[in-house]
Amino acid sequence: GAVVSQHPSRVICKSGTSVKIECRSLDFQATTMFWYRQFPKKSLMLMATSNEGSKATYEQGVEKDKFLINHASLTLSTLTVTSAHPEDSSFYICSARDELAGGGLETQYFGPGTRLLVL
Amino acid sequence: AQTVTQSQPEMSVQEAETVTLSCTYDTSESDYYLFWYKQPPSRQMILVIRQEAYKQQNATENRFSVNFQKAAKSFSLKISDSQLGDAAMYFCAYRRATSYDKVIFGPGTSLSVIP
Repeated sequence: GAVVSQHPSRVICKSGTSVKIECRSLDFQATTMFWYRQFPKKSLMLMATSNEGSKATYEQGVEKDKFLINHASLTLSTLTVTSAHPEDSSFYICSARDELAGGGLETQYFGPGTRLLVL
Repeated sequence: AQTVTQSQPEMSVQEAETVTLSCTYDTSESDYYLFWYKQPPSRQMILVIRQEAYKQQNATENRFSVNFQKAAKSFSLKISDSQLGDAAMYFCAYRRATSYDKVIFGPGTSLSVIP
């Protein structure tokens, strides 16, 4: 089946630095990808919808200048956490929708997630 | 705004027994999709089962089945013959039928399977 990869799987960075997380759809193209944040034992919170070739749509309360999203191609979306601080430490998950999967239900596939620790 | 509620933060079931996880949602839409996702300790999200709101027949996938009550806005998941590998967080989720729309997740239910 369709696979979505994320890189890196784990990253540790110093406070004040920026971190880029990549999300790739490996055997399908996705005009729309989604970025979620998940705290321990909590649900997935949608941060933004990444649209290929256009600006991302951010959820209320998510700082667009803090979490930069670039969807430069039909198989790649990146999330950059700028000037990271310890409170940005979290588990970040992306998902990509295979709009050609058929049946009108277009299946959404999730990446394995990226664990970010900001010291 | 659409919301998804899971009233059971934690559940446990004896191996080989049956367990039902509850989910309710709120929407003013008539056409939408409902999902149950499983998140094991690896944290990889896995789609367990999905239901299209316009279909009256309850979806079934092997040992997993749902009880979809559209009027009551209820969407419970039944796991039969529970196995140790079923232990995970289970999230109920909703999406409008509009293309490219986002998925809204419930708070999750942590399921433990007792050997």
